[in-house]
Amino acid sequence: GAVVSQHPSRVICKSGTSVKIECRSLDFQATTMFWYRQFPKKSLMLMATSNEGSKATYEQGVEKDKFLINHASLTLSTLTVTSAHPEDSSFYICSARDGATRNDNFGPGTRLTVL
Amino acid sequence: QKEVEQNSGPLSVPEGAIASLNCTYSDRGSQSFFWYRQYSGKSPELIMSIYSNGDKEDGRFTAQLNKASQYVSLLIRDSQPSDSATYLCAVNTNAGKSTFGDGTTLTVKP
Repeated sequence: GAVVSQHPSRVICKSGTSVKIECRSLDFQATTMFWYRQFPKKSLMLMATSNEGSKATYEQGVEKDKFLINHASLTLSTLTVTSAHPEDSSFYICSARDGATRNDNFGPGTRLTVL
Repeated sequence: QKEVEQNSGPLSVPEGAIASLNCTYSDRGSQSFFWYRQYSGKSPELIMSIYSNGDKEDGRFTAQLNKASQYVSLLIRDSQPSDSATYLCAVNTNAGKSTFGDGTTLTVKP
């Protein structure tokens, strides 16, 4: 149980394009989902907290207009990296909070490479 | 002071030994405590959660929580080379986001 999927797992795109990443909780409802970014050999960096049906809460220094988050249902949140640039290349990971267990369950991550 | 601090590591133990990972936190309102394992290039995987003072055992893993000392630890008994990974401590107040430590890298040598 408590499975979270992410799609795509890997994406390579040209500079200036937008990339959408989906995060789904497959067997539980997640009122809250979190989006993280992790650079090689660095710790997880929380980007934003996404609550179903409301606007996301972004961490300091994270541009709202560049990283668009939508949490339209209790099982799906999306992160869109708009006008991606090489410095946006990173490992993007979502987690979904299971209200019943209080556990945060991580998706497998999306590796983004911007050329 | 960081909100969640872990041993700077890296930690190296021989196969079969006990690995001890430590974590301290600053928010006394914290109610939920987690240990995650992260293999290189992969996302974190939850291995233990603990909510009340004392020990919680699950197979070779034991989590220990002391809220008065604001301290949570993870013991791995009979360490195996497959336990080699980065271990992340996370803390939250239930309603909010989890705060993660920077992680401790463990190497178990055969």
